Amino acid sequence: DVKVTQSSRYLVKRTGEKVFLECVQDMDHENMFWYRQDPGLGLRLIYFSYDVKMKEKGDIPEGYSVSREKKERFSLILESASTNQTSMYLCASIDGTGGASGYTFGSGTRLTVV
Amino acid sequence: AQKITQTQPGMFVQEKEAVTLDCTYDTSDPSYGLFWYKQPSSGEMIFLIYQGSYDQQNATEGRYSLNFQKARKSANLVISASQLGDSAMYFCAMREGRSGATNKLIFGTGTLLAVQP
Repeated sequence: DVKVTQSSRYLVKRTGEKVFLECVQDMDHENMFWYRQDPGLGLRLIYFSYDVKMKEKGDIPEGYSVSREKKERFSLILESASTNQTSMYLCASIDGTGGASGYTFGSGTRLTVV
Repeated sequence: AQKITQTQPGMFVQEKEAVTLDCTYDTSDPSYGLFWYKQPSSGEMIFLIYQGSYDQQNATEGRYSLNFQKARKSANLVISASQLGDSAMYFCAMREGRSGATNKLIFGTGTLLAVQP
């Protein structure tokens, strides 16, 4: 089974801190994604990557950056955390062919910025 | 721009009854894929069912079926014989473009389903 691992389940950070959220997948998937989930808003795409060192902005990239130096790892970076970035963050991956197999999600990181 | 709309924030259903969760989508691309995910209170996202835009028949997976009406741009999820374990948040999602392109997946706002005994 594909596994997508997010390094932290819960995280509390102070306003202004630089925050790294890590995501690792173990099935050699080309495509990786970062979403944030907020009540009433569903999942919104922050950034995605379809290859090493390749990245594209999603719908809400402001305040975030990403890094993909190795195929298996996709990091989400909050350059200067703010309280409005308090949210659940979900990482997902899928192989390059896409298709009906669906996307595999990590278990999420609940980030609280105080 | 592509968009997914789920108009039911929450729903109740009696155990053993069928329930339909609504989803409409908007895209100008003739090639797309539609997905349904279940998110229980534990937070994990569980893939339920997939429908491709060129699929002639409605997708089915066990108790789940997708009522695909292409002209109306709707992709409703039907759960038959509801069980208490079906209580969860349900998300409709769409991948625009042919499979293997960017594979970007866009979600609706979700429907919270509560199954009553």
